[in-house]
Amino acid sequence: GAVVSQHPSWVICKSGTSVKIECRSLDFQATTMFWYRQFPKQSLMLMATSNEGSKATYEQGVEKDKFLINHASLTLSTLTVTSAHPEDSSFYICSADFYYGYTFGSGTRLTVV
Amino acid sequence: SQQGEEDPQALSIQEGENATMNCSYKTSINNLQWYRQNSGRGLVHLILIRSNEREKHSGRLRVTLDTSKKSSSLLITASRAADTASYFCATDPNTGNQFYFGTGTSLTVIP
Repeated sequence: GAVVSQHPSWVICKSGTSVKIECRSLDFQATTMFWYRQFPKQSLMLMATSNEGSKATYEQGVEKDKFLINHASLTLSTLTVTSAHPEDSSFYICSADFYYGYTFGSGTRLTVV
Repeated sequence: SQQGEEDPQALSIQEGENATMNCSYKTSINNLQWYRQNSGRGLVHLILIRSNEREKHSGRLRVTLDTSKKSSSLLITASRAADTASYFCATDPNTGNQFYFGTGTSLTVIP
């Protein structure tokens, strides 16, 4: 139980386009989801906390207009990277809280060319 | 699923005692990392151990890796109440693009 499905697992896009990443809780309801980013050889960094039905809370230094987060239902949160640039190339991962802990999606490798 | 598994799922100890958490995984890896997460907060990277390393220390943390058994352990010595958190292992397989995280161990250190 407590599985989070994240897709796509990898995506390549052209500079200037937008990319949407979905994070879906399959067998539980997630009122809170977290979005992380990880650059090569670095630790995961929390980008934002997504709360169902309200605005996301962004960490300092994360541009909310560039990384749009929508958590419209208890089972789905999306992260849209708008007007992507090569420096946005990274590994993005979501996690969700459930009854006794946290579970993670398997991540999305974004490459912007 | 290639997600790693950690045990125990939950651990409660007295302050000053040692805490040991174990992580098992399924595929060959490049490295294995341990993370900590306080309730409602982001992940904090604790330590990384490479596949050619067997043991690593960082302060009160000791990590071991046994690639033949596809397992790792995290030992926290002389625990403190502030160590109360969830701890996750994450593996970086040497094939594919994804990280795989363990299911986590919830540690409670009682003052």
